[in-house]
Amino acid sequence: QSVLTQPPSVSGAPGQRVTISCTGSSSNFGGGYDVHWYQQLPGTAPKLLIYGDSNRPSGVPDRFSGSKSGTSASLAITGLQAEDEAIYYCQSYDNILSASVFGGGTKLTVL
Amino acid sequence: QLQLQESGPGLVKPSETLSLTCTVSGGSISSSSYFWGWIRQPPGKGLEWIGSVYYSGSTYYSPSLKSRVTISVDTSKNQISLKLSSVTAADMAMYYCARHRGISPLRAFDYWGQGTLVTVSS
Repeated sequence: QSVLTQPPSVSGAPGQRVTISCTGSSSNFGGGYDVHWYQQLPGTAPKLLIYGDSNRPSGVPDRFSGSKSGTSASLAITGLQAEDEAIYYCQSYDNILSASVFGGGTKLTVL
Repeated sequence: QLQLQESGPGLVKPSETLSLTCTVSGGSISSSSYFWGWIRQPPGKGLEWIGSVYYSGSTYYSPSLKSRVTISVDTSKNQISLKLSSVTAADMAMYYCARHRGISPLRAFDYWGQGTLVTVSS
């Protein structure tokens, strides 16, 4: 069980908007640490989508956005495309565990 | 373009030491601008941070693995290495090396290797 809680799955139709939640606590991003988001396509390494709560690396489409409020963080994907079907992970630092931690991952299905 | 490539034995016997190397090309690990890390992923499961290292040799380890892990750098070869001792079936995973997006192990991982699968079996 990760200290960052994500829903196991979400789904949406092409063109729709979906959000993926990540619930933490005051010992991780709720206490001010950054939250980052990764996309893992089947059979590939994770890819950085969002860093520092809401920043997109160069090359990541602006359909992807991140936000954080208190102990909740979200990844939003607009204009859903078939190629977005993947597993998405949130990550932060936890000062009780003294470790970088990942959420359990959320599988996005494009209907 | 920065590239990371993991290498090492794909099969390790229980109780032995897992040894992996990450070779970095397109950039120098001696740059004072980045930490480097190892992450693993058991088959069908999520990601687990193992530890991170600076070019100077400064390291941070996951407390759950700290007693068994050693991460080091070889700046002459532009490589980062991982050693995990006393492996069990629970250590079977895809092992990734990655670069932190800055000089803190709290920063996101912005470049990843393709990963190498390690099986633990006698």
